[in-house]
Amino acid sequence: DTGVSQDPRHKITKRGQNVTFRCDPISEHNRLYWYRQTLGQGPEFLTYFQNEAQLEKSRLLSDRFSAERPKGSFSTLEIQRTEQGDSAMYLCASSFVIGAAGNEKLFFGSGTQLSVL
Amino acid sequence: GEDVEQSLFLSVREGDSSVINCTYTDSSSTYLYWYKQEPGAGLQLLTYIFSNMDMKQDQRLTVLLNKKDKHLSLRIADTQTGDSAIYFCAEGTGTASKLTFGTGTRLQVTL
Repeated sequence: DTGVSQDPRHKITKRGQNVTFRCDPISEHNRLYWYRQTLGQGPEFLTYFQNEAQLEKSRLLSDRFSAERPKGSFSTLEIQRTEQGDSAMYLCASSFVIGAAGNEKLFFGSGTQLSVL
Repeated sequence: GEDVEQSLFLSVREGDSSVINCTYTDSSSTYLYWYKQEPGAGLQLLTYIFSNMDMKQDQRLTVLLNKKDKHLSLRIADTQTGDSAIYFCAEGTGTASKLTFGTGTRLQVTL
């Protein structure tokens, strides 16, 4: 078990550019979450997948954001036309759930730190 | 909407107990969690409590829940320098883990 892996660890980009982040969840985990964390704040929910289906998106996820999990394994988060306000740590988490979730334990990756100049 | 609040900073001496407090507003919360975040790292789940419990102990960690006041606390016994980190409380309703996190409490352990 190698844990949740995120790539890259750091990304610096210019305003207006597109960026894509990747998350590899723990093997066999069927749920995958994306959170965003800004400096001095707790993580905020963005979206989550059950297998390959994207089941919920936060209002924080503007039209410039898109997430995919094509084969129910790894996921990508793309931000188009980045803005300075997108600068944050983007965290991925995964879990394994059978049926209706009771206490679902999320395992987080180390995150991708995005800086938009 | 949901809101989770924590004090920003706590300093304790090594060997003392630390108590980190959290208040939340969502009365439908089913599970309450404590996560630890060290610099440059993701969040590590420390412990959790189900909303029908009022206390849970796990080695050096004790979680107290006052559901009436929507108050959660984490006590760390015999605090060590390795406990220095940011601690987040989070609440969820137990369906999908769309957790709502607090702003985090930075714990500083001094010698």
